[in-house]
Amino acid sequence: ENVLTQSPGTLSLSLGERATLSCRTSQAVNKYLAWYQRKPGQAPRLLIYGASNRATGIPDRFSGSGSGTDFTLTISRLEPEDFAVYHCHQYGGSPLTFGGGTKVEIK
Amino acid sequence: EGHLVESGGGLVHPGGSLRLSCAASGFTFSTYVMNWLRQAPGKDLEWISYISTDSTTISYADSVKGRFTISRDNAKNSLYLQTSSLRDDDTAVYYCARDFGGLAPNWFFDLWGRGTLVTVSS
Repeated sequence: ENVLTQSPGTLSLSLGERATLSCRTSQAVNKYLAWYQRKPGQAPRLLIYGASNRATGIPDRFSGSGSGTDFTLTISRLEPEDFAVYHCHQYGGSPLTFGGGTKVEIK
Repeated sequence: EGHLVESGGGLVHPGGSLRLSCAASGFTFSTYVMNWLRQAPGKDLEWISYISTDSTTISYADSVKGRFTISRDNAKNSLYLQTSSLRDDDTAVYYCARDFGGLAPNWFFDLWGRGTLVTVSS
């Protein structure tokens, strides 16, 4: 099974700051990696697929990069609605697997 | 954009069964591959099942194979998960999720519901 390790576990930042989230896969997945945003009581929201493609309606302050085993989600300037948990997901191999998440909280 | 709403969760004894439903709206349900995923307390999200647009192709995670059955009714815009022989480790929030698009699965999910909680306990 491809294990996804996200770091840091928690990121404490202020409004307007840049957030950099990391996802490392134990096996290479080319660019078959997605990122989701999760808020309590809400449905998960697809942000990025194919490592760097923004999903429909996602603001351009969200960007993804990486390939192989190392991936990054960057939020260029944090808005109030961005404080949430972010999960990466690899779909380059079976079984599909997800990371444990990075919580972005208000400092 | 679309909307998915799960229902049918609840408290069930080990060995019991539940039928989960997912009502879809706001998009052409019959043209999308659909999935069920779950997240147990303290664990990562886990994909558990997929069904093609015409129900001819179905796949399950090893953890639920032989115990869970996925189905869909395109006329009712609904997805289902029949669970049986439930175990303590099936306790989780169950999500239905739409595959990104196309007849073949992309294996990532662009629309999710809020989930329904299944608790297996004696």
